[in-house]
Amino acid sequence: GAGVSQSPSNKVTEKGKDVELRCDPISGHTALYWYRQSLGQGLEFLIYFQGNSAPDKSGLPSDRFSAERTGGSVSTLTIQRTQQEDSAVYLCASSLYPGAEYGYTFGSGTRLTVV
Amino acid sequence: DAKTTQPNSMESNEEEPVHLPCNHSTISGTDYIHWYRQLPSQGPEYVIHGLTSNVNNRMASLAIAEDRKSSTLILHRATLRDAAVYYCILRTFGNEKLTFGTGTRLTIIP
Repeated sequence: GAGVSQSPSNKVTEKGKDVELRCDPISGHTALYWYRQSLGQGLEFLIYFQGNSAPDKSGLPSDRFSAERTGGSVSTLTIQRTQQEDSAVYLCASSLYPGAEYGYTFGSGTRLTVV
Repeated sequence: DAKTTQPNSMESNEEEPVHLPCNHSTISGTDYIHWYRQLPSQGPEYVIHGLTSNVNNRMASLAIAEDRKSSTLILHRATLRDAAVYYCILRTFGNEKLTFGTGTRLTIIP
């Protein structure tokens, strides 16, 4: 597609439930990133995928968070046993290649509300 | 990563040029200067980036100081749709994480 697509755009879930957030990057983009943005806060890095390399998971806040990227394309971010502090906008971005000389294209995000 | 400093907010009149400054006095030789903007209720949008030379694209221009310790994003003719938070970010070679600061909230006055 022309841009990075994320689904759902909004998700309300009960505390303790699991949620899955999906990201379709731009076709051909090798690098994929997940960030989250809490209300009124800056962006927080979560995880980075590049090709078939092991992902950089250093930003995942707890072991309740996991992500995978299948076939070098679509990625799913899973949050288990959601907590209220998980409420945020989860943003996915992709880049043609990794590296400081390339820009990211972000999706519109998934707004997650844990009640 | 080296830090950047931006004014918290700026105002500009519609159809006038806007110069958004960014200081990055601890920049290293391999750091790229990136600018993103975030419109209300949207994800960040890439604007422009550069290393040493000034850069132009359809959205904006980036003027980089000779010593690279500061840069300026130039919107040549502001429109109401340019109202957003603008982030100046240094991307370090080998580090794939973007670190967003608080940015500059740009208000366009009709």
